[in-house]
Amino acid sequence: DVKVTQSSRYLVKRTGEKVFLECVQDMDHENMFWYRQDPGLGLRLIYFSYDVKMKEKGDIPEGYSVSREKKERFSLILESASTNQTSMYLCASSLSGTGGASSYNEQFFGPGTRLTVL
Amino acid sequence: AQSVSQHNHHVILSEAASLELGCNYSYGGTVNLFWYVQYPGQHLQLLLKYFSGDPLVKGIKGFEAEFIKSKFSFNLRKPSVQWSDTAEYFCAVKTGGGNKLTFGTGTQLKVEL
Repeated sequence: DVKVTQSSRYLVKRTGEKVFLECVQDMDHENMFWYRQDPGLGLRLIYFSYDVKMKEKGDIPEGYSVSREKKERFSLILESASTNQTSMYLCASSLSGTGGASSYNEQFFGPGTRLTVL
Repeated sequence: AQSVSQHNHHVILSEAASLELGCNYSYGGTVNLFWYVQYPGQHLQLLLKYFSGDPLVKGIKGFEAEFIKSKFSFNLRKPSVQWSDTAEYFCAVKTGGGNKLTFGTGTQLKVEL
């Protein structure tokens, strides 16, 4: 069974603090993703990584950075937390697809971290 | 950029009623389509997916979805819902050879006894 774990289920931080959200997967997946989930907006991709030390911006990268030093771990960093970053953060991982558009590997999600920035 | 629309934001049904949740995407090329479900307090999990071939795909728990290319749609259906189907449902699309998914805004389904 694929397991994606996130370091905290609930986190409360103050405006201006540096925040680290950690994600670990145990299935040797190449791809890892960070999303935020907000009511009425669905899931929006912040950053993703397709290999160690590789990263690409998603749809809403502003205010965030990421780090992937080891294959199993993908960290999301809020350099200076702001109240508009209060959200549910979801991490996901998947194997790399091969063979073009017809191939895909399911994304497996972690339980999420509900971050509140005061 | 591709986008995914889910027009039903909140749906309330009685048990045994039939369900259809709409999903439309905007992309003219080859797509892979997915429905994910998030039960209260649980992880997001895959319900079903379409890659190619038969446009009617069956997923877990009696759900199915039909890909209609001409309508850019991938609607989710279930003939008879149960109280345990109460959850949030997300449609997602993958385009090209990458691994990114674009998600819709989700539909909250509440099934009443």
